Amino acid sequence: DTAVSQTPKYLVTQMGNDKSIKCEQNLGHDTMYWYKQDSKKFLKIMFSYNNKELIINETVPNRFSPKSPDKAHLNLHINSLELGDSAVYFCASSQGALMDTQYFGPGTRLTVL
Amino acid sequence: QKEVEQDPGPLSVPEGAIVSLNCTYSNSAFQYFMWYRQYSRKGPELLMYTYSSGNKEDGRFTAQVDKSSKYISLFIRDSQPSDSATYLCAMSASSSASKIIFGSGTRLSIRP
Repeated sequence: DTAVSQTPKYLVTQMGNDKSIKCEQNLGHDTMYWYKQDSKKFLKIMFSYNNKELIINETVPNRFSPKSPDKAHLNLHINSLELGDSAVYFCASSQGALMDTQYFGPGTRLTVL
Repeated sequence: QKEVEQDPGPLSVPEGAIVSLNCTYSNSAFQYFMWYRQYSRKGPELLMYTYSSGNKEDGRFTAQVDKSSKYISLFIRDSQPSDSATYLCAMSASSSASKIIFGSGTRLSIRP
């Protein structure tokens, strides 16, 4: 059983399009995250979210928005895609904010042409 | 200067060797230190988690933190080809996972 899953695994799209990436966790965790890993392998947190609080990294453009239909899902919507958005996006989850319980998904490789 | 510096490698060693991976950091407020392993085309997985200074051992892996030098290390004993991966250090001033700062990773290859 996959603990944290993401779809799609690969996403190729044109500049200016709007796209979504889905994430689901079956660990019963109450906090979920989105990370961006660029071509130089830097992994940066974009959002952390539980049902009480959304924490947004101040460097994330407002074209990016997380949407959570329920505790087990946190989707990432991206509007007006730009070339610089090309990266691997990882979803993760944890129990509370405890970093030693954090599990990552397999990643979605986004390419913007 | 980046908050966390890590040599990107690649680092190639023969099977059975002791591997030393290192990170330096500039923020003296960091108290929580982690090492993640990331296989190609996969998500990172937490290997070691330590709080403050000192050593922590888990099987073939030992994590060391020297806060006075702002330097952390991960040692891998009896390295195996299955240890070939990118190793990311990460640290945080708080226990919240929303505040973690990652290094850029060191690519490690273990030659059979």
